[in-house]
Amino acid sequence: KAGVTQTPRYLIKTRGQQVTLSCSPISGHRSVSWYQQTPGQGLQFLFEYFSETQRNKGNFPGRFSGRQFSNSRSEMNVSTLELGDSALYLCASSLVGVRDNEQFFGPGTRLTVL
Amino acid sequence: AQSVTQLDSHVSVSEGTPVLLRCNYSSSYSPSLFWYVQHPNKGLQLLLKYTSAATLVKGINGFEAEFKKSETSFHLTKPSAHMSDAAEYFCVVSVNGNKLVFGAGTILRVKS
Repeated sequence: KAGVTQTPRYLIKTRGQQVTLSCSPISGHRSVSWYQQTPGQGLQFLFEYFSETQRNKGNFPGRFSGRQFSNSRSEMNVSTLELGDSALYLCASSLVGVRDNEQFFGPGTRLTVL
Repeated sequence: AQSVTQLDSHVSVSEGTPVLLRCNYSSSYSPSLFWYVQHPNKGLQLLLKYTSAATLVKGINGFEAEFKKSETSFHLTKPSAHMSDAAEYFCVVSVNGNKLVFGAGTILRVKS
């Protein structure tokens, strides 16, 4: 089975722009979660989607949003980029119906905001 | 709120010697705990998970962890370190199903 894929792998944007990141889960996985990793704040949960609905949300401003499509692929969007949004954004997918099932992580998208 | 604290930001061991990475958790009920590893420029990989079955959990690559409720600890151990174990390790607690709360991470250095 192919793993979780994320595109693009690297992005450079300037302040004020917006960006869209994409995540394709493992085939059959219907839950997709997003995390932000920075040297200062570590790994933080952004949100989780299941069946095209946001099921869980972290403590991030409304500039961070996401969505999930019927094929379980997910996108996250960051509007009005700030320098502090520079980070590695990780996507994880998992099966549902099993409590605390393993989450499989993709390689991440490295976003640099100039 | 549920959280985890990794007690060491860096650990250095010699190849062939034991590894101990320490993690304490805070939870109002029986938690689900995980250890993940992140190699440079790679994604996170699950090493092992505790979900209230056996308190001693065995994982991949010879790692294991013991859940100790009395000490609120979930330390990660390996009897003999290998050079390929050099990476960053995260202790993680699951909150509300699929929301993972990560510790700050421990960078493991293995000296030859």
